[in-house]
Amino acid sequence: DADVTQTPRNRITKTGKRIMLECSQTKGHDRMYWYRQDPGLGLRLIYYSFDVKDINKGEISDGYSVSRQAQAKFSLSLESAIPNQTALYFCATSDKTSGFYNEQFFGPGTRLTVL
Amino acid sequence: DQQVKQNSPSLSVQEGRISILNCDYTNSMFDYFLWYKKYPAEGPTFLISISSIKDKNEDGRFTVFLNKSAKHLSLHIVPSQPGDSAVYFCAAISQGGSEKLVFGKGTKLTVNP
Repeated sequence: DADVTQTPRNRITKTGKRIMLECSQTKGHDRMYWYRQDPGLGLRLIYYSFDVKDINKGEISDGYSVSRQAQAKFSLSLESAIPNQTALYFCATSDKTSGFYNEQFFGPGTRLTVL
Repeated sequence: DQQVKQNSPSLSVQEGRISILNCDYTNSMFDYFLWYKKYPAEGPTFLISISSIKDKNEDGRFTVFLNKSAKHLSLHIVPSQPGDSAVYFCAAISQGGSEKLVFGKGTKLTVNP
């Protein structure tokens, strides 16, 4: 079984709809991240959480919100989706307690299309 | 302001030859550097890393070189294999700072049989 899972893997929605992307991990890591990937732009950080009660904005947080429901779960919401949020979204985890927190482990990604 | 730059969007090499992927950074606070590999329809996977106290780290066919004075690092793959065809992302982090990875835009490597 995958250590970092994302649901759904693919989603097509319409402008203005609320969308939630979910991420779960069985690695026991304390840190979780949400990135988006756009062609030619690499990976950009949306939000990150270093612990259950910790939420931080990343580089491109406008239009997004997150919830860290438990150590193993980190959800990303688009309150009112717009077409330029069409992208590939990745969840990642890392573990500071092990001392190897620089290395992040990524989920398989969610391809989101906003029409 | 792009802090981590991969100026070559793509690279094509022949099987068995060396692949050299380059990365430049601007933030002198970065003290740890990583390379990730990404296949289509999969998430990025960690490949190799290097601390700023070193100038070279080797793992099998993969070697990363760091030139701190030039703020430049490179990933060498020798010999290149068709299975190495993927997008490679360079990333950097300031361990005593924000502790967030900053990624480059990636270089698509194609290894031709």
